[in-house]
Amino acid sequence: DTAVSQTPKYLVTQMGNDKSIKCEQNLGHDTMYWYKQDSKKFLKIMFSYNNKELIINETVPNRFSPKSPDKAHLNLHINSLELGDSAVYFCASSLGAGSGETQYFGPGTRLLVL
Amino acid sequence: GEDVEQSLFLSVREGDSSVINCTYTDSSSTYLYWYKQEPGAGLQLLTYIFSNMDMKQDQRLTVLLNKKDKHLSLRIADTQTGDSAIYFCAETVSGGSYIPTFGRGTSLIVHP
Repeated sequence: DTAVSQTPKYLVTQMGNDKSIKCEQNLGHDTMYWYKQDSKKFLKIMFSYNNKELIINETVPNRFSPKSPDKAHLNLHINSLELGDSAVYFCASSLGAGSGETQYFGPGTRLLVL
Repeated sequence: GEDVEQSLFLSVREGDSSVINCTYTDSSSTYLYWYKQEPGAGLQLLTYIFSNMDMKQDQRLTVLLNKKDKHLSLRIADTQTGDSAIYFCAETVSGGSYIPTFGRGTSLIVHP
């Protein structure tokens, strides 16, 4: 019954490694997002995809590469992890891309880079 | 300053009302939202209000919008320990990105 799911829930890794976070939604939504929440709880949009196409790419280092194999999945691959990448990463989805569309969030992936 | 501002903490006694406040800067806000984040979980939409409304009530939740002062509040009646969480205010603006701009969240602590 989980609407938006993410794996893994926790990720601890060394600096310089490459890692992926997966996100799946079973709501039939067209639009998916990745957010980063820092240690002060500040939530910032990273990417948005609509119908598998990238429509928003905020100022995110190109070490971060989202991939949407289909409308129900939006994965996030991170190369050469840095200490500053430690944060909670949230996936979300909405029915469409428009103001007023309710976003449904996943439970988050807690990434710690050592 | 930030586009959406909230105080960081609020402590209330169980059974009392909680009022969480938020101010925003963009007068062309279209939708204003309240999200709740429980420990270790993602954000959950609690309620939202369209900018042409002044008030919205949903069970124990009352949202008040003062467009003149660009002030949004969330009142939780009969606050319970299960209401302890971080509450995020967010807005989307007309003619801008549809992505909400979030405040930094208010940690609500409910004590017996």
